[in-house]
Amino acid sequence: DIQMTQSPSSLSASVGDRVTITCQASQDINNYLNWYQQKPGKAPKLLIYDASNLETGVPSRFSGSGSGTDFTFTISSLQPEDIATYHCQQYDTLPHTFGQGTKLEIK
Amino acid sequence: EVQLMQSGSEVKKPGESLRISCKGSGFSFTNYWITWVRQMPGKGLEWMGRIDPTDSETNYSPSFQGHVTISTDKSITTAYLQWSSLRASDTAMYYCARPVGPGTDALDVWGQGTMVSVSS
Repeated sequence: DIQMTQSPSSLSASVGDRVTITCQASQDINNYLNWYQQKPGKAPKLLIYDASNLETGVPSRFSGSGSGTDFTFTISSLQPEDIATYHCQQYDTLPHTFGQGTKLEIK
Repeated sequence: EVQLMQSGSEVKKPGESLRISCKGSGFSFTNYWITWVRQMPGKGLEWMGRIDPTDSETNYSPSFQGHVTISTDKSITTAYLQWSSLRASDTAMYYCARPVGPGTDALDVWGQGTMVSVSS
């Protein structure tokens, strides 16, 4: 299986801060990388697909970049409603593994 | 409205069997793979496997192969996740999800989740 390593595992930031989460794949996954947001007690929500494409209706403060093995997810200006856990997922090779998640909290 | 509706929470004993369901509506069910994802309490997401409702082709994660069965009944636009012998370690929330389109596993439609609790 391809291992997806997210960093950090948790993060505390202030409203208005720029927040960056990284996801590293154990092998080249091209740009087949998705990012999800999951709020407590809720199902995950797709934010970014194919590394950098913003899902319809998702605010533009969210963005993604990268290719190959190294990917970055960014919130340009953190809002209170962004408090959640963020997950990356590769779908280059079966099984389509997820990272371990990054829990984002307000400082 | 495009949605996946999952069956309700379950409380079972080790060794018992179980089948949970995921009913699709508002879209052409046979045009999309259905994926199952596990989330153990306080943990991350785990990709379990998926099924193509057109011909019931399945892909399983090696971590789940042989312990669960994914199936579908396209006549009632429903996918299933089944266990023949539950373990305490199967206690988790289970989600079904649908991708944005063919050729991708970007999961944009999710069920509400089914909580399975296994305890003696």
